[in-house]
Amino acid sequence: AQSVTQLGSHVSVSEGALVLLRCNYSSSVPPYLFWYVQYPNQGLQLLLKYTSAATLVKGINGFEAEFKKSETSFHLTKPSAHMSDAAEYFCAVSDSNTGNQFYFGTGTSLTVIP
Amino acid sequence: DSGVTQTPKHLITATGQRVTLRCSPRSGDLSVYWYQQSLDQGLQFLIQYYNGEERAKGNILERFSAQQFPDLHSELNLSSLELGDSALYFCASSARPGFEQYFGPGTRLTVT
Repeated sequence: AQSVTQLGSHVSVSEGALVLLRCNYSSSVPPYLFWYVQYPNQGLQLLLKYTSAATLVKGINGFEAEFKKSETSFHLTKPSAHMSDAAEYFCAVSDSNTGNQFYFGTGTSLTVIP
Repeated sequence: DSGVTQTPKHLITATGQRVTLRCSPRSGDLSVYWYQQSLDQGLQFLIQYYNGEERAKGNILERFSAQQFPDLHSELNLSSLELGDSALYFCASSARPGFEQYFGPGTRLTVT
């Protein structure tokens, strides 16, 4: 069965430090991969997506993610954290093996320390 | 603004009651998804429709039902409400199954 694992339900970084949020997936075929951000009391917003083109994907707000097939990973990074990056981040996957069903990870709450 | 609209924004009702949540997808999107989000259970997928047909079911209770109409808007019906049904309910839409989903602002349901 398809699954998505986000390592670390809570991550804290200092303002200006590197942000690294981890996501691993299980899939027997190249999947589509997504990162979403959710600010308090708002819906999820698409940050970026991987759809089998370039393995390094750039998204909004300075975030990017790299698809690594050998590691079945799609980690989200940002070189320098801003206070406004504090939010919940969700990794998601879909693949044709499961009828293109969407699977979300359990989320990682990012805290930015001033 | 994602282009997905949900009404109402807030809903307060009593246990045992029935409510209907409404969702209008982005223009051109054929798939609609419903999710429940609560502090203790996180984001839970409920059900998916594609062009009017049920496509996938997740952790949807028998007391809950949904449908997608010919104009592609969708409704989620929650009946015999319990305190534990209090949550944020999100609708999302995508052009096709498996494509990126765009989320609405949610409906906050409070059952008292």
